[in-house]
Amino acid sequence: NAGVTQTPKFRILKIGQSMTLQCTQDMNHNYMYWYRQDPGMGLKLIYYSVGAGITDKGEVPNGYNVSRSTTEDFPLRLELAAPSQTSVYFCASSYSGGTNEKLFFGSGTQLSVL
Amino acid sequence: KNQVEQSPQSLIILEGKNCTLQCNYTVSPFSNLRWYKQDTGRGPVSLTIMTFSENTKSNGRYTATLDADTKQSSLHITASQLSDSASYICVVSADSGYALNFGKGTSLLVTP
Repeated sequence: NAGVTQTPKFRILKIGQSMTLQCTQDMNHNYMYWYRQDPGMGLKLIYYSVGAGITDKGEVPNGYNVSRSTTEDFPLRLELAAPSQTSVYFCASSYSGGTNEKLFFGSGTQLSVL
Repeated sequence: KNQVEQSPQSLIILEGKNCTLQCNYTVSPFSNLRWYKQDTGRGPVSLTIMTFSENTKSNGRYTATLDADTKQSSLHITASQLSDSASYICVVSADSGYALNFGKGTSLLVTP
């Protein structure tokens, strides 16, 4: 079982560059999420999706965009990279949004913006 | 403001010893409390999920407790192993929306 797969694992960007963080899951989960984890801080929700074609903002959406064209894929787009976006990014998925629903996380993408 | 505070920030114990990690929260309304284990360079992995009506839940050598009245939870690790070295994250969910409130984690190091 692959679970949630994120690529790339590491990336260095220059200020102003753009990139897409890829996330795919093979568990047929309806819900997918993007989080960022800054050093010494708790994870913060960037965007989430409750199904193909439906996305919504989380706590810290500024500077990011997402799309959900298929159930499996949920890419995160950075248009104009800024040093404040240096972080570790985690994609997660769950079958539903139920209160007891377990989240499954990918291994993360470590991004540095210099 | 919803907050999740964990203590201690870091902990070093000898292999085979027990330890207890603490989590205090001020999330309202309360839905559930989760404990995750995060190995270095990996994503968090779910250990336990407890709702308001549950006051204890076990997963192997991990036992979580919840006191919803005092808004406190603890994670007890029994007979620690080197593989228990990780960050342990307390996460509290409110009823509204999909925003989970993550603590900063307790970094545990188990030494031989």
